[in-house]
Amino acid sequence: EAQVTQNPRYLITVTGKKLTVTCSQNMNHEYMSWYRQDPGLGLRQIYYSMNVEVTDKGDVPEGYKVSRKEKRNFPLILESPSPNQTSLYFCASRTQGANYGYTFGSGTRLTVV
Amino acid sequence: DAKTTQPNSMESNEEEPVHLPCNHSTISGTDYIHWYRQLPSQGPEYVIHGLTSNVNNRMASLAIAEDRKSSTLILHRATLRDAAVYYCILANAGGTSYGKLTFGQGTILTVHP
Repeated sequence: EAQVTQNPRYLITVTGKKLTVTCSQNMNHEYMSWYRQDPGLGLRQIYYSMNVEVTDKGDVPEGYKVSRKEKRNFPLILESPSPNQTSLYFCASRTQGANYGYTFGSGTRLTVV
Repeated sequence: DAKTTQPNSMESNEEEPVHLPCNHSTISGTDYIHWYRQLPSQGPEYVIHGLTSNVNNRMASLAIAEDRKSSTLILHRATLRDAAVYYCILANAGGTSYGKLTFGQGTILTVHP
């Protein structure tokens, strides 16, 4: 089944403890992206990658890092999480070209205390 | 990024057609019109997209105005499972915002039995 898999689904952590949220897709998609969703603010793009080793900032990149060493994986790294990064995170992928839709993962609900 | 305007909420009865409007008066020639929906506790799900011509797929139809400044997502027979937040998004085919999805607040669709 074609899908984007995020792990973990739920995570509670403490301020300052580094964490990684993994994202993997099995569709050989070139383009991958991370979004966060907050009440009243909607979905906002954090980082995106147009292909292996090609990443760029989205609208809200502060406090996050990403890497794209392999085509299928696009992990989101929080080096020193803070409570304002408590949010619902979604990874998405699609093939190149604007004439295609995105596939989203099921989400990771992160709480930083 | 070109913006879209959607009603905050709409209601429908089960088995009836639903027409979800979207205004995008500042759309550019390279913007594709995408529609996604998000069911409770799930990631956004691709519904349909188009550029100039009307589009149909198994989920819905997309009617695009001749001047492309508005579009309408048509659910031919609403079911309870169609209750979701529907997002109308412009995705640019080129430039620095290539492929980026900028989500607005969307339309909350309520379907009554």
